[in-house]
Amino acid sequence: GNSVTQMEGPVTLSEEAFLTINCTYTATGYPSLFWYVQYPGEGLQLLLKATKADDKGSNKGFEATYRKETTSFHLEKGSVQVSDSAVYFCAPHSGAGSYQLTFGKGTKLSVIP
Amino acid sequence: NAGVTQTPKFQVLKTGQSMTLQCAQDMNHEYMSWYRQDPGMGLRLIHYSVGAGITDQGEVPNGYNVSRSTTEDFPLRLLSAAPSQTSVYFCASSYDSGGLRGSPLHFGNGTRLTVT
Repeated sequence: GNSVTQMEGPVTLSEEAFLTINCTYTATGYPSLFWYVQYPGEGLQLLLKATKADDKGSNKGFEATYRKETTSFHLEKGSVQVSDSAVYFCAPHSGAGSYQLTFGKGTKLSVIP
Repeated sequence: NAGVTQTPKFQVLKTGQSMTLQCAQDMNHEYMSWYRQDPGMGLRLIHYSVGAGITDQGEVPNGYNVSRSTTEDFPLRLLSAAPSQTSVYFCASSYDSGGLRGSPLHFGNGTRLTVT
């Protein structure tokens, strides 16, 4: 089955700082890779995805590149804002009849003014 | 477009009581699933369904039942609540019924359950 190793938090940054959250995975087949974000009191929502090697997913200033050779999908943002405070989850989606998605344990980010 | 709707938002049960957590989606998604979220444990899959009439177990199915009589609804039943079932429960759906490779999950806002 799949597994995900995600950078442990919590992470506290000052506004406008650079953010990296590491994610490495093992997965059957050739997965798509997703980052989800969970704001306080809400469910998870899609942040970005990449479906093949060397693809870069991006959204809201966040980016992540699908690195097949290192089985990694690190999340980055050049300048975080207070509104980015949330929990971030990495998840490979294997497809081909694979319905048991595995999520990382989540990384809580707090951005202070 | 309501997306995925979960009810109730909060619930307190006594040990041994039973209850049903409701989940409905209006996106005509084939795939639906239930997760529980616990501190330090991330999200763990309880049960899932790939279409009406089809359900299967996830990682932590014990103590829970599901059914899928319609495409829209996927209720989760706690048969005899235990304190270990205190958690936040999320329902999620997805369009892709041939495997979830390309399709994101759409989550509800969760049900916070406390069992005393």
